[in-house]
Amino acid sequence: EAGVAQSPRYKIIEKRQSVAFWCNPISGHATLYWYQQILGQGPKLLIQFQNNGVVDDSQLPKDRFSAERLKGVDSTLKIQPAKLEDSAVYLCASSLDRGYEQYFGPGTRLTVT
Amino acid sequence: DQQVKQNSPSLSVQEGRISILNCDYTNSMFDYFLWYKKYPAEGPTFLISISSIKDKNEDGRFTVFLNKSAKHLSLHIVPSQPGDSAVYFCAAQASNAGGTSYGKLTFGQGTILTVHP
Repeated sequence: EAGVAQSPRYKIIEKRQSVAFWCNPISGHATLYWYQQILGQGPKLLIQFQNNGVVDDSQLPKDRFSAERLKGVDSTLKIQPAKLEDSAVYLCASSLDRGYEQYFGPGTRLTVT
Repeated sequence: DQQVKQNSPSLSVQEGRISILNCDYTNSMFDYFLWYKKYPAEGPTFLISISSIKDKNEDGRFTVFLNKSAKHLSLHIVPSQPGDSAVYFCAAQASNAGGTSYGKLTFGQGTILTVHP
């Protein structure tokens, strides 16, 4: 069974630029999560989708971050404009449904200079 | 507001000995607890979990203990092996009044475990 795929693996941008990350969850998984992991901290949920609907985006900085999950499969997370404090690893995870085991992708390491 | 805390940033253990990783939480709504293991440049992988109705769950070399009154859980690894060297995250989930999990994981800061041969 293929795991959660993410791209790119690494991205370096200057502040005020925009960036987008892509996630392809495990086939058949209804729930998709984006987490932000800042160095030295645990992952923090940014947004949770159930199929193509948003369940929880309470911790998403909506003035600069946006995410979508078209057709309830792939998802993209965008930052525009980026700030220095957005430097982090962005992890995508999926699960069969809410409450089931979450499988994580390898993450995208973003560096904002 | 850190709802899940791992107060030990790192732990060093000799191969064959026991590793004990600790985790504290503050939110009484959490009813399911998980441990994840993370290697560099990889995403976290699920290790073991425990429901709040239990106080112990065992899976091979890994045992998780839950003390609800103290809002404390611990992960025991016996015997420890060099391949266990990784970052370990404690995580918690809550459910709604109907018992349906929200799904969202709240993580601690992680503990770096190093097992020396």
